Amino acid sequence: AQSVTQPDIHITVSEGASLELRCNYSYGATPYLFWYVQSPGQGLQLLLKYFSGDTLVQGIKGFEAEFKRSQSSFNLRKPSVHWSDAAEYFCAVVPYNTDKLIFGTGTRLQVFP
Amino acid sequence: DGGITQSPKYLFRKEGQNVTLSCEQNLNHDAMYWYRQDPGQGLRLIYYSQIVNDFQKGDIAEGYSVSREKKESFPLTVTSAQKNPTAFYLCASSPWGGASGYTFGSGTRLTVV
Repeated sequence: AQSVTQPDIHITVSEGASLELRCNYSYGATPYLFWYVQSPGQGLQLLLKYFSGDTLVQGIKGFEAEFKRSQSSFNLRKPSVHWSDAAEYFCAVVPYNTDKLIFGTGTRLQVFP
Repeated sequence: DGGITQSPKYLFRKEGQNVTLSCEQNLNHDAMYWYRQDPGQGLRLIYYSQIVNDFQKGDIAEGYSVSREKKESFPLTVTSAQKNPTAFYLCASSPWGGASGYTFGSGTRLTVV
């Protein structure tokens, strides 16, 4: 079945540590790929997106993501996490030939000082 | 500044009552969307509209209705037929095609008692 999977429901890291949030998709053709962040009780903010070209994408707030076609993955990374990065992170796709944004179930990030 | 405004931020209703959530955008976007967010389930698409006076059901449209009489506005009505209406509702918009990513409102938390 077509889907977006975020295998980690909850991740805890120490401030200053590196971070990688996983995202896998299951679609026949490579979809457009997105990462969004949501603070509690708020809407979603776009961190970065991938359509084509360079497989390493830079986003806002020091985040980057790497598209790996062979693994159907689009993992989000940050070299050094700040306490303000604590939030929920959603991977999302727009499948080929559609304009509907389909979300994963999210990963909640907790940052300890 | 351009953006999406959802109102109210919090809404309480008695069981059996219909309630309408407001969503207005001044981004001149063609497409608008309604999502429902429940803990651990990510965001699920309720309805979307790509053009004025036209809209399509998403994955969980039962118990909801929408209208799109103006480009700027896409109100969502939660009817008494919706069996579990308590949730966080997010409205979004995008330029035609959706591939450039969506802009989200700050959400409405509906509690039915």
